[in-house]
Amino acid sequence: DAKTTQPPSMDCAEGRAANLPCNHSTISGNEYVYWYRQIHSQGPQYIIHGLKNNETNEMASLIITEDRKSSTLILPHATLRDTAVYYCIVRSHTGNQFYFGTGTSLTVIP
Amino acid sequence: DSGVTQTPKHLITATGQRVTLRCSPRSGDLSVYWYQQSLDQGLQFLIQYYNGEERAKGNILERFSAQQFPDLHSELNLSSLELGDSALYFCASSVEHSGANVLTFGAGSRLTVL
Repeated sequence: DAKTTQPPSMDCAEGRAANLPCNHSTISGNEYVYWYRQIHSQGPQYIIHGLKNNETNEMASLIITEDRKSSTLILPHATLRDTAVYYCIVRSHTGNQFYFGTGTSLTVIP
Repeated sequence: DSGVTQTPKHLITATGQRVTLRCSPRSGDLSVYWYQQSLDQGLQFLIQYYNGEERAKGNILERFSAQQFPDLHSELNLSSLELGDSALYFCASSVEHSGANVLTFGAGSRLTVL
């Protein structure tokens, strides 16, 4: 499974959009991009996933570049409760494990 | 409540001891994953089971073992415990079907080895 690169930390003002980038330049054609987050020692929480097309759900939007080498998770209106570590994971549907890496620590500032 | 149940929530024990962590997957999920998270560390994949069979093994120590039972619950056994085994242990479950596969995590078991 392809590895990912994320900035270690980011800040975002409350109410603004949080844009979290992820680089996955070695992604292959059958690999999905997943985003999870972990709020202080809680179990990681699934946010969204995608293969090629942009995706949106009630939590976030996922923008995947046309060459699929990078993606951006967008939290449209960040709240203080969105402060967490966000993990970008690339995994094929036949892959056996989700490699979480170190993620991006997002701090939402009042 | 994610639907994945882990017990115990907290466990304090001494070096050299053995403990068992239990995980009940979400209803309908056939696959169980175990992860270890030490203080300020990332999630380290330990092992995965699918419908009772071991499917993948990660950085799991020989002192650790796991199994998945016919009712699909899983247990992670940690023996000859060392101080460095103190960590959060997470269980996750998934349906495992073709296409995307989403993990649902439990709240974790916090193990403290003194």
